[in-house]
Amino acid sequence: DAKTTQPTSMDCAEGRAANLPCNHSTISGNEYVYWYRQIHSQGPQYIIHGLKNNETNEMASLIITEDRKSSTLILPHATLRDTAVYYCIVKGNMLTFGGGTRLMVKP
Amino acid sequence: KAGVTQTPRYLIKTRGQQVTLSCSPISGHRSVSWYQQTPGQGLQFLFEYFSETQRNKGNFPGRFSGRQFSNSRSEMNVSTLELGDSALYLCASSLAPGQGGWQETQYFGPGTRLLVL
Repeated sequence: DAKTTQPTSMDCAEGRAANLPCNHSTISGNEYVYWYRQIHSQGPQYIIHGLKNNETNEMASLIITEDRKSSTLILPHATLRDTAVYYCIVKGNMLTFGGGTRLMVKP
Repeated sequence: KAGVTQTPRYLIKTRGQQVTLSCSPISGHRSVSWYQQTPGQGLQFLFEYFSETQRNKGNFPGRFSGRQFSNSRSEMNVSTLELGDSALYLCASSLAPGQGGWQETQYFGPGTRLLVL
């Protein structure tokens, strides 16, 4: 499974957009990029996934570069409830979680 | 539609005992995966079941086992518990197994927190 690299932590002001980057330079052509988040001690929550095209849903937008070697998760208007650990995963046969990015949304 | 449910939510056992955890997937989902989360190792894949068959297995000792029933509900068992087995055990379900796409998107339950004393 392709490995992902994410910053360990990030801060974001409440109401501003949170842009969470992820590098996945070894991704292969048929592997999807998935984003999950985990609020303390809860089960991971699915956010969004994509293969090649940019994707948007009610929670977030996913921007995947043309070479597919990196992606960015965008939370358009971050709230305090968005404080969580965000995981970027390139899905092989299973979900392989790395360390994720700890996003702190501050008032 | 109800989400993934896991029982029990909390459990305390002593070393050497065994434990069985249960997972009920989202209605219509036929694939169930199990994960272990500890502060030191993070979230690690245990195994995946589809149509009552184990499709994939993570790097865990044979003390960890699982099964899936015809209604897609799944159980995992840990025998001869060790202190290091203390963890949050998470179950996730999807419509089908595979490497991505809508059918393969996994949805997680709240987890079972196991404490081994």
